[in-house]
Amino acid sequence: GAVVSQHPSWVICKSGTSVKIECRSLDFQATTMFWYRQFPKQSLMLMATSNEGSKATYEQGVEKDKFLINHASLTLSTLTVTSAHPEDSSFYICSAKSNDRSWGYTFGSGTRLTVV
Amino acid sequence: GDSVTQMEGPVTLSEEAFLTINCTYTATGYPSLFWYVQYPGEGLQLLLKATKADDKGSNKGFEATYRKETTSFHLEKGSVQVSDSAVYFCALWGGADGLTFGKGTHLIIQP
Repeated sequence: GAVVSQHPSWVICKSGTSVKIECRSLDFQATTMFWYRQFPKQSLMLMATSNEGSKATYEQGVEKDKFLINHASLTLSTLTVTSAHPEDSSFYICSAKSNDRSWGYTFGSGTRLTVV
Repeated sequence: GDSVTQMEGPVTLSEEAFLTINCTYTATGYPSLFWYVQYPGEGLQLLLKATKADDKGSNKGFEATYRKETTSFHLEKGSVQVSDSAVYFCALWGGADGLTFGKGTHLIIQP
């Protein structure tokens, strides 16, 4: 079945540094990828939608200059948290969609980011 | 906008007990409804889905019926096992890209 690999699974970084999270579709081409964020005891909130080869579409309230999304190929999307601050600490999870699957929302295993 | 409300957890049950996790939604039009499960240390997995009113989704002994009149999609299982311990998310797809999730319900099954 469709597999999405997300790395790293957890990361600790210092305030002011940048962190890159990768999301790869291993056995299918992901024309669209989604990035979600989950605060403790909260819903997963959609941050942005990225389509291969075009700019990401960010949800209202998400700073596009802070959360840089790149979807340069059909199998890879990256989320870079720039100049991270403690309030960026959260659980980030990606989801990939394939045109070959009606309900191709395959999720990565998530990344726990802690900014100290 | 679209929203999903599901019961807060944790929900603690004994093995072989009957399970119900409530989920209600608010959406315009006719959304598709899903239950996802997240086992410890793993990503989200689609458990079951229903795309129209009165549809029943089922998988691994779990089932949920799309009730348009009550805007609900409650998850049920007749006899839970320890291996069912996980976080369960109710979600809807309203036709645009991306899913709207509930907060998740942590289910703990004790032997």
